[in-house]
Amino acid sequence: GNSVTQMEGPVTLSEEAFLTINCTYTATGYPSLFWYVQYPGEGLQLLLKATKADDKGSNKGFEATYRKETTSFHLEKGSVQVSDSAVYFCALLSMNSGGYQKVTFGTGTKLQVIP
Amino acid sequence: EPEVTQTPSHQVTQMGQEVILRCVPISNHLYFYWYRQILGQKVEFLVSFYNNEISEKSEIFDDQFSVERPDGSNFTLKIRSTKLEDSAMYFCASRLIWGTSGRVGTDTQYFGPGTRLTVL
Repeated sequence: GNSVTQMEGPVTLSEEAFLTINCTYTATGYPSLFWYVQYPGEGLQLLLKATKADDKGSNKGFEATYRKETTSFHLEKGSVQVSDSAVYFCALLSMNSGGYQKVTFGTGTKLQVIP
Repeated sequence: EPEVTQTPSHQVTQMGQEVILRCVPISNHLYFYWYRQILGQKVEFLVSFYNNEISEKSEIFDDQFSVERPDGSNFTLKIRSTKLEDSAMYFCASRLIWGTSGRVGTDTQYFGPGTRLTVL
């Protein structure tokens, strides 16, 4: 079955540091890949997505590139802010054998940015 | 921008009681989903719903759970007899269209803010 593996957290960075959160996946076919963010006490928000190999999703300074050869979708940001402190979920969207869409989430990586 | 809404934001109930969690998906969306997130754990798929019937469900979604779209706008999750282990954040999601044949569609699932269910 499909699976998503994220680096374990928490990740603690100083403000303006470079961020990488690793994500790799296992899936058949051609899944779409997503990063969702969950701020403290809030629900899931779509951060960015990529729907095919070599696509780069970007939003709010975050980027991730869909690498089919390495089955990865690592999240990066050049300079993090305190307001980026949240839990980040990598997710995979695929069709199952019945032809219906399904989202598989990673375990989430907590990011804490300190001033 | 349209968004998925959920009520209540927090529900506290006694073990064995029935609860109904409510969701209002984005108005022109056709697919609806429930997920749950036990505190500190990952988000898990529960069920998907299309054309007034369940299209897929996970092993978590046992006979204690049911879903319904009672009036064309709301999408509900009912837990008949809650257990302590049902305590979690429950997220509703909706999406617009079917994916294209042979290729996953590019449409995105949009999530609501969640309902935190606490079973005492």
